[in-house]
Amino acid sequence: NAGVTQTPKFQVLKTGQSMTLQCAQDMNHEYMSWYRQDPGMGLRLIHYSVGAGITDQGEVPNGYNVSRSTTEDFPLRLLSAAPSQTSVYFCASSYSRIQETQYFGPGTRLLVL
Amino acid sequence: AQTVTQSQPEMSVQEAETVTLSCTYDTSESNYYLFWYKQPPSRQMILVIRQEAYKQQNATENRFSVNFQKAAKSFSLKISDSQLGDTAMYFCAYFNTNAGKSTFGDGTTLTVKP
Repeated sequence: NAGVTQTPKFQVLKTGQSMTLQCAQDMNHEYMSWYRQDPGMGLRLIHYSVGAGITDQGEVPNGYNVSRSTTEDFPLRLLSAAPSQTSVYFCASSYSRIQETQYFGPGTRLLVL
Repeated sequence: AQTVTQSQPEMSVQEAETVTLSCTYDTSESNYYLFWYKQPPSRQMILVIRQEAYKQQNATENRFSVNFQKAAKSFSLKISDSQLGDTAMYFCAYFNTNAGKSTFGDGTTLTVKP
């Protein structure tokens, strides 16, 4: 059981570039979510999904897109990176929306120049 | 909107002593969960303890326990017999079961001194 995996671990982008942060879980969890963590702050919810084909916005969704075509994968897309998106990104999953204990991936550190 | 406040940005404690981290939250919901997560320098988020709002009994996990005061909307974490490995940032989090969303506090950096 690998748990929640994220790739890449670290990425540098130039302003305006696009990229996809990958997140996968092998626990058959229905609920998956993306957070960002800025220095000295807690995690803020970007997008979440309660199951394949269903996504919704969190607290800070602007500049990010998600899709959930399979139960296992929940990629986060930055269409046109901005320096304000420099952050550490965490993916998390839980068995269901009601089963609220979330398991976190190791994080992706993103630097936008 | 729900908010979670951790009023102590930094704390320190001597090894083997006890420390309490405070957390308050604001919600109009009656059904929710509360969590404490630990984030060591590796950045991995580790669940420390969780509390169901409908349970009056305070949760306990080994050296970690909470003081859950639902009416006061307070959820403090007590660490007993502090160990050097407890040095980390600790986040309080609220989970709204109706909306399926989490809200995190800004964290408390805890340093355990030898």
